[in-house]
Amino acid sequence: DGGITQSPKYLFRKEGQNVTLSCEQNLNHDAMYWYRQDPGQGLRLIYYSQIVNDFQKGDIAEGYSVSREKKESFPLTVTSAQKNPTAFYLCASSIDGGSYGYTFGSGTRLTVV
Amino acid sequence: GNSVTQMEGPVTLSEEAFLTINCTYTATGYPSLFWYVQYPGEGLQLLLKATKADDKGSNKGFEATYRKETTSFHLEKGSVQVSDSAVYFCALTQETSGSRLTFGEGTQLTVNP
Repeated sequence: DGGITQSPKYLFRKEGQNVTLSCEQNLNHDAMYWYRQDPGQGLRLIYYSQIVNDFQKGDIAEGYSVSREKKESFPLTVTSAQKNPTAFYLCASSIDGGSYGYTFGSGTRLTVV
Repeated sequence: GNSVTQMEGPVTLSEEAFLTINCTYTATGYPSLFWYVQYPGEGLQLLLKATKADDKGSNKGFEATYRKETTSFHLEKGSVQVSDSAVYFCALTQETSGSRLTFGEGTQLTVNP
């Protein structure tokens, strides 16, 4: 079955460390997105990519980095510059940039210890 | 810019009660509108959508009608079940915004037996 796989489901990081969250899709979607969700809040866009080798900053890109070397993969690195990295991170993809809606992964919960 | 406003939660109902979750939006032109549902610890799932004025989206007993005149897309269900307990997000996308999804804050629904 086609879908989006995020790994790991739970991730613990020490302060000052970089960590990379994986997102892989086999839906042949062109566009991919990373969102951050904090408890009781909506989703905030971190980065998005509409085509391979191209990506744009979202609303809260500071402290994060991404790459899009393959159509199927859009990893997110949470750097030590991110002040409050503890959150639930969601990856999504869409076939045409969004007018048909997004398909979401099951998320990665990152905790800084 | 685009924005989505949802009724504040949490909402608590008894099983078989009628559900309404209000959603209004601000956008230029004709956005596409969506309702997503998020169960605990999971990603978001597309519940229903509407792409033009007066369209009615429906799925699993939920309905929402795209009202251009009131810029609204209220979610309704005639008889809720305990299994409907989740967070519901209203969202919009528009080609002029690069087809990025803009989300509301989410509404927590709890249905008691």
